[in-house]
Amino acid sequence: ETGVTQSPTHLIKTRGQQVTLRCSSQSGHNTVSWYQQALGQGPQFIFQYYREEENGRGNFPPRFSGLQFPNYSSELNVNALELDDSALYLCASSSGGVQETQYFGPGTRLLVL
Amino acid sequence: GQQLNQSPQSMFIQEGEDVSMNCTSSSIFNTWLWYKQDPGEGPVLLIALYKAGELTSNGRLTAQFGITRKDSFLNISASIPSDVGIYFCAGQPSGGSNYKLTFGKGTLLTVNP
Repeated sequence: ETGVTQSPTHLIKTRGQQVTLRCSSQSGHNTVSWYQQALGQGPQFIFQYYREEENGRGNFPPRFSGLQFPNYSSELNVNALELDDSALYLCASSSGGVQETQYFGPGTRLLVL
Repeated sequence: GQQLNQSPQSMFIQEGEDVSMNCTSSSIFNTWLWYKQDPGEGPVLLIALYKAGELTSNGRLTAQFGITRKDSFLNISASIPSDVGIYFCAGQPSGGSNYKLTFGKGTLLTVNP
């Protein structure tokens, strides 16, 4: 176990709705990264939060947004859900330094109908 | 989004056999990582490589960071049934985007007891 927790474990939404996914980082970690993993693919980087600020973003539209809180937990928000947003959403925490290992949570499985 | 070229896509082997999989990239990476993902779980780090040419072992697993910094391989010796899962390589670049992991599509390993 990595100590990274995510909620909920599963979620079903319909097109156009909004969703919020949550992540609690491992104790002592101040950095959280979010990834989207479509079926049969490797994880794709969405964005990273370091000390409550966005620290980098992948090739995802602005309807994907996030927050990090003072306790370093994080939220991923997706607005105007599309069918292609169906995926496993993973968060990973790290201590933020160069070459610091990212430890992944179990993920949230999102299905958009 | 960008993904690494990981091969083979899948392998079906007998218990006790050795396994080899590799990953190539058109970009240079500062760090190469190998993760294993079981169904319903997030990726778990197996081996991290930080230096070109580095050869690192973790039990029955051995991985190498290619001299060109554009490739890596993972070997598993004397496979056992619990080695079943999806193996992902991931690269972490140097410089300003060192937060971002780029993943391969994964190698699905099946071990026949």
